[in-house]
Amino acid sequence: GESVGLHLPTLSVQEGDNSIINCAYSNSASDYFIWYKQESGKGPQFIIDIRSNMDKRQGQRVTVLLNKTVKHLSLQIAATQPGDSAVYFCAENNAGNMLTFGGGTRLMVKP
Amino acid sequence: DTEVTQTPKHLVMGMTNKKSLKCEQHMGHRAMYWYKQKAKKPPELMFVYSYEKLSINESVPSRFSPECPNSSLLNLHLHALQPEDSALYLCASSQGRDYEQYFGPGTRLTVT
Repeated sequence: GESVGLHLPTLSVQEGDNSIINCAYSNSASDYFIWYKQESGKGPQFIIDIRSNMDKRQGQRVTVLLNKTVKHLSLQIAATQPGDSAVYFCAENNAGNMLTFGGGTRLMVKP
Repeated sequence: DTEVTQTPKHLVMGMTNKKSLKCEQHMGHRAMYWYKQKAKKPPELMFVYSYEKLSINESVPSRFSPECPNSSLLNLHLHALQPEDSALYLCASSQGRDYEQYFGPGTRLTVT
C-alpha cells in the first residue's frame, strides 16, 4: 500500500538553531497533511496542518512546506528550544477519515 | 475545551481477562478513533466511528471490540488478548475528514 515516510530517524540540533524535519509521501491523491509532536508518555499533539492547495503555511515558530511535484513535506522550527525535544510525525489524511503516519523523527535539542 | 481523556492510564491484564478502555471528548466532534502504538513506532489506525457508527475497521482481530455509546464516549472492549497486544492505545476525535485529530494521552496496556 502507499505510505508516508521520513528521511531521518534522529535529528540533533543546538538550542537556538533552526530545525528542519522532512517527510516523503507516495499517495499523489492525498490532499491534507498534518504534523504532530509526541513527547514521551503522551499522545500526539497537533502542531500544524496544510492542504494540497497551499505550498506553505506558518504558525508560531513553525512553518510547513509542501512540494506536490516531488511529494515532499517539511516542518521547520525556528529558534529550537529544549521543550521542542520530542518525536515528530507527519501524517497523511486520505479517504474516509484515515490518518496514516510516517515513521517519526526524534528531535534532540542540545543546550 | 480541546481535551480528549482516556482511562485508565495504565492497565495490566492476563490473557483470560476482560477489560475495557474508555475515551471521552466534549468538543462536539462527530468522528472518533482508536489507534494502537507500539514502542518507537507510529500510531496505527484500528477503528473509526463517524456519527456514532463504525465506519472503518482496519482488519482488527475480534478480541478487540469497539463501542460508541454516544457522541462523546468511545470504548474499546478487550478479551482474550495476547502478549503481543501490549502497546499504547490512543483515542482521538475530530470534526471530520480534513480536520485535525485531537489525541488523548493513551492507555498503556500490558498483557501478561
